[in-house]
Amino acid sequence: GAVVSQHPSWVICKSGTSVKIECRSLDFQATTMFWYRQFPKQSLMLMATSNEGSKATYEQGVEKDKFLINHASLTLSTLTVTSAHPEDSSFYICSARTGNYQETQYFGPGTRLLVL
Amino acid sequence: SQQGEEDPQALSIQEGENATMNCSYKTSINNLQWYRQNSGRGLVHLILIRSNEREKHSGRLRVTLDTSKKSSSLLITASRAADTASYFCATDPSNAGNNRKLIWGLGTSLAVNP
Repeated sequence: GAVVSQHPSWVICKSGTSVKIECRSLDFQATTMFWYRQFPKQSLMLMATSNEGSKATYEQGVEKDKFLINHASLTLSTLTVTSAHPEDSSFYICSARTGNYQETQYFGPGTRLLVL
Repeated sequence: SQQGEEDPQALSIQEGENATMNCSYKTSINNLQWYRQNSGRGLVHLILIRSNEREKHSGRLRVTLDTSKKSSSLLITASRAADTASYFCATDPSNAGNNRKLIWGLGTSLAVNP
């Protein structure tokens, strides 16, 4: 149980285009999802916390107009990188938990984005 | 923001040896968790230890927690080549209120040589 999927697993796009990444909890309802960014050989950097039915809470320094997050249902959150540029190239990972007091996060396999 | 620190940053051992990784943190916590990440993949939860626990075992994994020193260690016994991965500690701060989120360490890259 507790499986989280991400789609796509990798994407290459041209500079200036927008890219949407989906994060789904397959066998549980996720009241909270997290979006992370990870650069090679580095730790995870939390971008935002997404709660179902409400606006996402962004971490300091993360542009909310650049990284649009929608958590429209208990099983789906999306991250849209708008007007992507080469510096947005990274590994994006989502995770989910079932409630505010549920301790463990379940991670998706990640999406590798390359902006040319 | 990252508050955890792990050492060593990289560790290379032979198969069969034990691997020990350490994690230090700064604030009081509800629990501390260890995760594993294979190259280019998502993270897998390994073990969670609560603030009132001092030691926990799961298979070949042994985790200790010293809240007075704000540190934890992960021991992998009888390592295998398949244990090669990055290992991250993450803390669940006890002062987060409704905004609970994990604070991540920088990770230890473990290489187990056959």
